[in-house]
Amino acid sequence: DTEVTQTPKHLVMGMTNKKSLKCEQHMGHRAMYWYKQKAKKPPELMFVYSYEKLSINESVPSRFSPECPNSSLLNLHLHALQPEDSALYLCASSQFNRGSGGETQYFGPGTRLLVL
Amino acid sequence: QKEVEQNSGPLSVPEGAIASLNCTYSDRVSQSFFWYRQYSGKSPELIMSIYSNGDKEDGRFTAQLNKASQYVSLLIRDSQPSDSATYLCAVNIRNAGNMLTFGGGTRLMVKP
Repeated sequence: DTEVTQTPKHLVMGMTNKKSLKCEQHMGHRAMYWYKQKAKKPPELMFVYSYEKLSINESVPSRFSPECPNSSLLNLHLHALQPEDSALYLCASSQFNRGSGGETQYFGPGTRLLVL
Repeated sequence: QKEVEQNSGPLSVPEGAIASLNCTYSDRVSQSFFWYRQYSGKSPELIMSIYSNGDKEDGRFTAQLNKASQYVSLLIRDSQPSDSATYLCAVNIRNAGNMLTFGGGTRLMVKP
């Protein structure tokens, strides 16, 4: 089972709203990620959590605030977003692969965000 | 030079033909290589991974890796219209932690 779930599937918010995106996996994966994807572009890494600690922040504006309450959950808190933040937000988790010595990432279905 | 490069396409092949998707990468210490399929409006789905030089087959898909020439390819045999999607090549670089570097993706169109 390589299932990563995300809620909500769609979200429309105004620039003054506060909302949160949620991601969950029960595969025992040690790392979880947030990506942002614009149309016709590859996913763009935002944050990486490893063993529930933030390990990578790719210079993301502070209006995006990640949180990892436990090893299965990952949240992305949104506040004062701009219309250009409208995108598909993807969560992923990864497992260590002994064959390669690296990680294999699996993506959730994404949240389609529209900022008005 | 981009770290991972793909031809953006579209690559158009007739139904039943072999589709060949290519990806080149610049970092010689790249460790793991992945192909993700992404349908329009959906999230990327892992379809193949490869770590060692040579071929790896899974059903209609074959991944090929040549580390000396720094390329990885994906062959899709007996292409079906349902294979029409964007295929993303991703590379995990040794000592870069858990990070993947993505190519820009190749759009494949399989015509009935």
